[in-house]
Amino acid sequence: GENVEQHPSTLSVQEGDSAVIKCTYSDSASNYFPWYKQELGKRPQLIIDIRSNVGEKKDQRIAVTLNKTAKHFSLHITETQPEDSAVYFCAAFSYSSASKIIFGSGTRLSIRP
Amino acid sequence: DTEVTQTPKHLVMGMTNKKSLKCEQHMGHRAMYWYKQKAKKPPELMFVYSYEKLSINESVPSRFSPECPNSSLLNLHLHALQPEDSALYLCASSQAMSGGAEETQYFGPGTRLLVL
Repeated sequence: GENVEQHPSTLSVQEGDSAVIKCTYSDSASNYFPWYKQELGKRPQLIIDIRSNVGEKKDQRIAVTLNKTAKHFSLHITETQPEDSAVYFCAAFSYSSASKIIFGSGTRLSIRP
Repeated sequence: DTEVTQTPKHLVMGMTNKKSLKCEQHMGHRAMYWYKQKAKKPPELMFVYSYEKLSINESVPSRFSPECPNSSLLNLHLHALQPEDSALYLCASSQAMSGGAEETQYFGPGTRLLVL
């Protein structure tokens, strides 16, 4: 089945700097990769996603890149702001994993003022 | 309406109690999910309903019993829980499980459960 590894587990960046979170997956059949942001005490919220037929996707300060050959994908947040502080989960969807979304272990991002 | 709602927000129950968690969505989604989330961990899949039929049970103990009365509602019945079952229980929905753009999952706010 699919296995998703996420790094780093914690990340602290200065406000205004960029943050990068990286994930690798094991199942080459995975074709959909969402990223969720979860603030303390809140629900996971989809912030961006990418499908296997695309290499990069951008939405304002957030971008995701996908390297299918290497089986890794990354989240890039530019010009970080205090409200970006949260736990971020990457995930992979694979039909061979019984059509389930498999989550990474999460990255706690802290933005220093 | 692009929301998944859950009730109650918080629940405290004893190990001999019977309680139910409720989830509702009005987005016309045909797949609904129950997840359990412990502190500092990712959501852990418990059950999936697709077109009102149970399609995935992740070997969840029988003290958790899901029910899907119709395409908009999902319940989780709880009985004889253990303290280690204390967690945030999240409901999610997606258009379908069949692939393409339909598998994006949207989460409800969760029910924070404490078992004493």
